[in-house]
Amino acid sequence: DQQVKQNSPSLSVQEGRISILNCDYTNSMFDYFLWYKKYPAEGPTFLISISSIKDKNEDGRFTVFLNKSAKHLSLHIVPSQPGDSAVYFCAARGGTSYGKLTFGQGTILTVHP
Amino acid sequence: NAGVTQTPKFRILKIGQSMTLQCTQDMNHNYMYWYRQDPGMGLKLIYYSVGAGITDKGEVPNGYNVSRSTTEDFPLRLELAAPSQTSVYFCASSYTSGTSGQETQYFGPGTRLLVL
Repeated sequence: DQQVKQNSPSLSVQEGRISILNCDYTNSMFDYFLWYKKYPAEGPTFLISISSIKDKNEDGRFTVFLNKSAKHLSLHIVPSQPGDSAVYFCAARGGTSYGKLTFGQGTILTVHP
Repeated sequence: NAGVTQTPKFRILKIGQSMTLQCTQDMNHNYMYWYRQDPGMGLKLIYYSVGAGITDKGEVPNGYNVSRSTTEDFPLRLELAAPSQTSVYFCASSYTSGTSGQETQYFGPGTRLLVL
């Protein structure tokens, strides 16, 4: 049972444009959501997070939106840069399961110069 | 700070062999985790530890064992390697407080394991 889903395996965007990565979840107990970025042959690195009490969190070029009623979150990257090309994982944590994250399958983002 | 370090980077095992994947963190984090990532899939939690001497199963613990004798180290043991354990293994750590709950996990670079 895939509780966190990233339905787009890949996304291709032109440099300077907006990249939108999507993530859906099924577990209503999830209360904290994170995005991780992963380059080849490296471990994932934390990008941005959002608590379920908010609907938006912004950090520079990166903004995460949370729609709790739709159980959907998205990561916006504006403007996209070639260095943003990586695999992006959505992750969620629920209730009292401190530290235990459930990850989506990942979306490969390619930003073309 | 080196962060989270993992050894080896890559290993080939024969079916039935055993090995230990090493993980060390120097951030004095209380929580540590082991994940595996299969091609086209997200990371799945194998085992985790909330502190020295305390470990618990994650989503996919079968075929693995862990121990946590110190805050810094969290080795993962494969006793009888099987082809299904071919994967990339990531160790992670975090400082997790029961009241904040908004911790960030820091990952090591991964160990690529091939079982033939």
